[in-house]
Amino acid sequence: AQKITQTQPGMFVQEKEAVTLDCTYDTSDQSYGLFWYKQPSSGEMIFLIYQGSYDEQNATEGRYSLNFQKARKSANLVISASQLGDSAMYFCAMRVFNAGKSTFGDGTTLTVKP
Amino acid sequence: GAVVSQHPSRVICKSGTSVKIECRSLDFQATTMFWYRQFPKKSLMLMATSNEGSKATYEQGVEKDKFLINHASLTLSTLTVTSAHPEDSSFYICSAKGQGGRDGTEAFFGQGTRLTVV
Repeated sequence: AQKITQTQPGMFVQEKEAVTLDCTYDTSDQSYGLFWYKQPSSGEMIFLIYQGSYDEQNATEGRYSLNFQKARKSANLVISASQLGDSAMYFCAMRVFNAGKSTFGDGTTLTVKP
Repeated sequence: GAVVSQHPSRVICKSGTSVKIECRSLDFQATTMFWYRQFPKKSLMLMATSNEGSKATYEQGVEKDKFLINHASLTLSTLTVTSAHPEDSSFYICSAKGQGGRDGTEAFFGQGTRLTVV
């Protein structure tokens, strides 16, 4: 069974600063993908970034980067230069290859202050 | 990128009635679709997995007779909440996964449906 742990229920960051959202995972599988999603108040799930378990380099997508530490089983999301529109709930998720279904963490609510 | 469309985005229904929610993959063939339920400020809870042309697989604790899932085509899956009660009020969201390409990449999510049973 897979488990995702997000220990920060809520986070605050000043506009234009960087913020790190924590995510640790637990699995006995060797082949898996880690994902981060953003869920604004409208409810839609917006895919942000993906890291495969065999990827040697940390994933980056614009202002988003994933700090992947496989030995520690952590996949923290770093958002650089925070914007007011980044205020939302953020979910870390894991999917074992060929399984399809995702396991989600409890989420972190990020509030960007002007 | 791939698009998954979910309809309706909001629905209010009377207690005892049934509500159907549609999840469509617009530009790819979704061999597998997932239905999740989300309570306010909580995580997504997988309800069931459906593969095209076969019966859905329900997670433990999810009533299959109450939450009917049909995946009749490669582009459409429906979730019907039967005899809805106020405790069924929630946010329901689907995701779709196709075959081929690099596995492990994201399944695509619909916009979600906020169901309120009065």
